[in-house]
Amino acid sequence: EDKVVQSPLSLVVHEGDTVTLNCSYEVTNFRSLLWYKQEKKAPTFLFMLTSSGIEKKSGRLSSILDKKELFSILNITATQTGDSAVYLCAAYNNNDMRFGAGTRLTVKP
Amino acid sequence: DGGITQSPKYLFRKEGQNVTLSCEQNLNHDAMYWYRQDPGQGLRLIYYSHIVNDFQKGDIAEGYSVSREKKESFPLTVTSAQKNPTAFYLCASSFPDREKTYTFGSGTRLTVV
Repeated sequence: EDKVVQSPLSLVVHEGDTVTLNCSYEVTNFRSLLWYKQEKKAPTFLFMLTSSGIEKKSGRLSSILDKKELFSILNITATQTGDSAVYLCAAYNNNDMRFGAGTRLTVKP
Repeated sequence: DGGITQSPKYLFRKEGQNVTLSCEQNLNHDAMYWYRQDPGQGLRLIYYSHIVNDFQKGDIAEGYSVSREKKESFPLTVTSAQKNPTAFYLCASSFPDREKTYTFGSGTRLTVV
């Protein structure tokens, strides 16, 4: 059975901290790994990863994929209160997205 | 502006009633999807459609029905057969095989009273 597992499920940090969010997957016909940020309603796209070892960066956020170990991480450096959200990981398999449960990140001032 | 619109934002239903959630997109996307989100469980796929007049069941289709009569529209009906319908429902659309184009609506929160 296909599955995507995220950890931790919840994380509370203070502004300026660095966090690492984890995502493991077991998906048949895997094609890509995507990260989304969900603040209130609609998830918004962060990264799409298709190749191992190539880091994607956007400001303070970065992500990398390991297709051998079936694993991805999302790093956020120098966290800000605006980073507080649920971060979703999803694996795409040519047909549809398989989502993890999400990590709820709370950044305190 | 192109986008995907879900309505209503909040919906209350009495037990035993069917309700229909609306999802409309003007992005010219061929594929549309319905997900259910419960606390601590992420998004679970209910139904998806890659082309007009065709749709497929997802992981949790029981108690739900859909139609795809127009490219722009993919309404979801929550029937009385769905035993635990209280949840947050998200609609999405994309170009098939172009996962980066996935676009989500703002969701409908359904509560059974």
